[in-house]
Amino acid sequence: EVQLLESGGGLVQPGGSLRLSCAASGFTFSNYPMNWVRRAPGKGLEWVSTVSDSGTDSYYADSVKGRFTISRDNPKNTLYLQMSSLRAEDTALYYCAKSLCTSFRCYFDYWGQGTLATVSS
Amino acid sequence: EIVLTQSPATLSLSPGERATLSCRASQSVSSYLGWYQQRPGQAPRLLIYGASNRATGTPARFSGSGSGTDFTLTISSLEPEDFAVYYCQQRANWPITFGQGTRLEIK
Repeated sequence: EVQLLESGGGLVQPGGSLRLSCAASGFTFSNYPMNWVRRAPGKGLEWVSTVSDSGTDSYYADSVKGRFTISRDNPKNTLYLQMSSLRAEDTALYYCAKSLCTSFRCYFDYWGQGTLATVSS
Repeated sequence: EIVLTQSPATLSLSPGERATLSCRASQSVSSYLGWYQQRPGQAPRLLIYGASNRATGTPARFSGSGSGTDFTLTISSLEPEDFAVYYCQQRANWPITFGQGTRLEIK
């Protein structure tokens, strides 16, 4: 059974940093691109970042580019999101999601339950 | 950036009725479109990928159609568990974008 367990959320002041983690199990982690998606309070889903299966390629939403860094440790089956220079608008529930890659590109087929990051003074 | 516009924002229907949700893209996304369901307090769930392909575990009452800029998610006969928020998502170009969501509520 695929499981994704996020951790590392919490309360941080504007300008601060947080490191989110996602522990994966139930599938061959190193074979799949992985993703972070967030949902701010009262808002819809927003894609944040994607990392390739090997970790060599990464992609970011413009809203986080230059402030967030996605990475992975394949031997440890863990995905990370280093968040810096945090702003109030980064307050959200952050989901880790596994990719399903088909001839129609990649989609998010398994999701964790999310970890809440709150940016406030 | 490709903007996805979903309509209506809220849809009020009764169990057993047919639901039709729309997603329009600001430019062509070919068939690179997915649909997700999010129930309150739960993580999103992939329903449809490639515009019309049901994901593993998606009931047959869910169907997707469209290509280019206009897409539809149809639920043929609503079950109580179908009342949720639905999002479309495009995978044609970076950045990946989602629509703003359609809330399907019980009438």
